[in-house]
Amino acid sequence: DIQMTQSPSSLSASVGDRVTITCRASQNIGTYLHWYQQKPGKAPKLLIYSASSLQSGVPSRFSGSVSGTDFTLTISSLQPEDFATYYCQQSSNTPGTFGQGTKVEIK
Amino acid sequence: QEQLVQSGAEVKKPGASVKVSCKASGFIITGYYMHWVRQAPGQGPEWMGWINPNSGGTKYAQKFQGRVTMTRDTSINTVYMELSSLTSDDTAVYFCAREKGLMSAVTTGAFDYWGQGTLVTVSS
Repeated sequence: DIQMTQSPSSLSASVGDRVTITCRASQNIGTYLHWYQQKPGKAPKLLIYSASSLQSGVPSRFSGSVSGTDFTLTISSLQPEDFATYYCQQSSNTPGTFGQGTKVEIK
Repeated sequence: QEQLVQSGAEVKKPGASVKVSCKASGFIITGYYMHWVRQAPGQGPEWMGWINPNSGGTKYAQKFQGRVTMTRDTSINTVYMELSSLTSDDTAVYFCAREKGLMSAVTTGAFDYWGQGTLVTVSS
């Protein structure tokens, strides 16, 4: 199985901060990498698909990029509603695997 | 608008089976791969498998092979996931999710619509 290593596991940030979350794949997955936001008791919500495409309805402060097997989710200016847990997911190989998550907390 | 509505919470004893339903509205399931993902308490999501509602074809994660069965009833636009031989390790929230992109076009492997989740608790 492809391992997805997400970092950091948690971070504290303030409203307005620029936040970066990284996901590294254990092998080449092309751009078959997606990012989700999850709030407690809710289903994950798709933010970015295919490494850098913004899902419809998602604010433009969210962006994704890739360099080799390293993928980055950036929130350009953190808003109060962005405090949540973020997961990456690869769909290059079966089984599709998720990262262990990054919890973004209020500083 | 597209929506997935799942059946309610279940409590099962070890060794039993559970069947969770996922009813779609706002789109026709035969146009999309439908997936099941579970999430144990405090853990990340775990992909279980998919069903092609058009053909009934399935693909399961090896971890669940022999224990999971995914089916569909196209007449009521609903997919199902049944998991057997339950243990306490199967205690989790189970989600159905739609894969982004029509099967007849380009699919992405991303999940753009999710059900609300069904808590399955396995306890003696």
